[in-house]
Amino acid sequence: EVQLLESGGGLVQPGGSLRLSCAASGFTFSRYAMSWVRQAPGKGLEWVSSISGSAGSTYYADSVKGRFTISRDNSKNTLYLQMNSLRAEDTAVYYCAKDSVIVVVVAGWFDMWGQGTMVTVSS
Amino acid sequence: DIVMTQSPDSLAVSLGERATISCKSSQSVLYRSNNKNHLAWYQQKPGQPPKLLIYWASTRESGVPDRFSGSGSGTDFTLTISSLQPEDVAVYYCQQYYSPSLFTFGPGTKVDIK
Repeated sequence: EVQLLESGGGLVQPGGSLRLSCAASGFTFSRYAMSWVRQAPGKGLEWVSSISGSAGSTYYADSVKGRFTISRDNSKNTLYLQMNSLRAEDTAVYYCAKDSVIVVVVAGWFDMWGQGTMVTVSS
Repeated sequence: DIVMTQSPDSLAVSLGERATISCKSSQSVLYRSNNKNHLAWYQQKPGQPPKLLIYWASTRESGVPDRFSGSGSGTDFTLTISSLQPEDVAVYYCQQYYSPSLFTFGPGTKVDIK
């Protein structure tokens, strides 16, 4: 059974940092691109970042470029999101999501999502 | 950037009736190299993560009931629920995956029972 389990969320002050993790199981992690998608309270979905299976390619939304870093450890079947210089508008549930198909870079549609981890940026 | 819009924002449909959601993209998401529309639909129920329903604009994900169907091409797309069931109450999102440098979702359409 494919499972994605996010962790690392919490309350952080503006300007602070957090690192989110997503532990994957039930599939060959290294063969699939992975992404982070967030959802502010009561709002819609916003794509944040994606990384190819090999970690050779990474992509970011303009809203987080230069502040967030996506990475993965294929030996640990784990996806990460390092979030620096956090702002109030980064407050959201952060989901990790698995690409539906195996491609060289990133396919971009997601067949499996974790339950999410809440990040609150507030003083 | 490709901007996605959806209409209506919400709709209420009687059980067993048809629900239709429109999604439009600011530019075509039809990829010439594979002649496929890079458009997906998701369903999100309260307190749950999104669930993939449709990809390539019209291909139903495995396990998704056949009352869900997707259509359209280029910039105009539609998700249809042919006979609304109680478990279909949710918010529905379209998403384009045309460019890996910026995937974008529509704002969502809330579907309720009338």
